[in-house]
Amino acid sequence: DAGITQSPRYKITETGRQVTLMCHQTWSHSYMFWYRQDLGHGLRLIYYSAAADITDKGEVPDGYVVSRSKTENFPLTLESATRSQTSVYFCASSEGQYSNQPQHFGDGTRLSIL
Amino acid sequence: SQKIEQNSEALNIQEGKTATLTCNYTNYSPAYLQWYRQDPGRGPVFLLLIRENEKEKRKERLKVTFDTTLKQSLFHITASQPADSATYLCAPFGSQGNLIFGKGTKLSVKP
Repeated sequence: DAGITQSPRYKITETGRQVTLMCHQTWSHSYMFWYRQDLGHGLRLIYYSAAADITDKGEVPDGYVVSRSKTENFPLTLESATRSQTSVYFCASSEGQYSNQPQHFGDGTRLSIL
Repeated sequence: SQKIEQNSEALNIQEGKTATLTCNYTNYSPAYLQWYRQDPGRGPVFLLLIRENEKEKRKERLKVTFDTTLKQSLFHITASQPADSATYLCAPFGSQGNLIFGKGTKLSVKP
């Protein structure tokens, strides 16, 4: 089925561990995004990508790494997880110029760091 | 810095009434503004986009207005239904070239 899929849906890990969140979209959208959502904050942009091999920082990039070797995949890696990175992470994609195109979101990964 | 405020964290209304949600932004002038719906445990779903030169946009029972003088967008749901209960997110286009999301308003429609 066409859409955007995030995995895993739930993850518990320990501080200092590396963890990778996966995102896969089947629309061949150019743009992909990673957000985190915390109580008391709106969705905050971590990183985004305009195309394969093109990525850029968002509002809160520290502690995260992204890559985009293929158009359809946009993994997010926490290289050394910290408790402050406990959050719900959403991946999104959009067809064109991101400012005036709707974004299509996955259902999120709920990450707990102990 | 750019700031987005959705005035109510929660809004409770009776079925059949019109729900009106408010989004205010400060310190910049977005060219576009989007509204999303988010259900518990799910990702946001796009509803409507309005451009700065459009005063109003409609889609079925939804209506969005964009007042660039007041720096405000209003989101209306007419003839509201319990199925409209969700959190609604306002997302103006930021000066950095990305959407900036508000914290959302949780709408509860009582039968």
